[in-house]
Amino acid sequence: SQTIHQWPATLVQPVGSPLSLECTVEGTSNPNLYWYRQAAGRGLQLLFYSVGIGQISSEVPQNLSASRPQDRQFILSSKKLLLSDSGFYLCAWSGAGSGQYEQYFGPGTRLTVT
Amino acid sequence: GEDVEQSLFLSVREGDSSVINCTYTDSSSTYLYWYKQEPGAGLQLLTYIFSNMDMKQDQRLTVLLNKKDKHLSLRIADTQTGDSAIYFCAKENTGFQKLVFGTGTRLLVSP
Repeated sequence: SQTIHQWPATLVQPVGSPLSLECTVEGTSNPNLYWYRQAAGRGLQLLFYSVGIGQISSEVPQNLSASRPQDRQFILSSKKLLLSDSGFYLCAWSGAGSGQYEQYFGPGTRLTVT
Repeated sequence: GEDVEQSLFLSVREGDSSVINCTYTDSSSTYLYWYKQEPGAGLQLLTYIFSNMDMKQDQRLTVLLNKKDKHLSLRIADTQTGDSAIYFCAKENTGFQKLVFGTGTRLLVSP
């Protein structure tokens, strides 16, 4: 069966510090991968998605970036965090090319920028 | 762009039925989904419906789709306190392998 992992689960970082959040998927190959941000009590904002290694599409201009160095690894990064980067970050995967794109979510990382 | 709208809040008593509604603007998707998010957790896929169906039932969950009115609903029968969560509808953004999520409805079930 497929599983998706995210770490760390929680993170407190000062403004201006770098960020690296990691997401890995097991039990599937060539998945589509997604990063979302959820502000407190709000809906989901799609940040990035990837349909393959090294292929990243950005949905929202911001000071975040994403990379996919391996087929089942998706990384969210920032060189300098802003207060507005605080939120709940969710990684998700879906099957590629199946014609049905339901997404399966990881447990999330709660980021607080102080 | 694509819009998917939900009411923000719904409060019911334990044992009652809950109906969560969702409206959308683009009718070209093939699948529509309902997700549940419990506090501090990721989203859990509850059920989905194919766009050529009007209704799908899965245990206590009933999904109704009105394509003419671009309206999707999720009915939870015999609602329990454990059903308290945020519920998101989602539809495919056709051709882009992405989902467009609604704003989420917070369901509060009181004893």
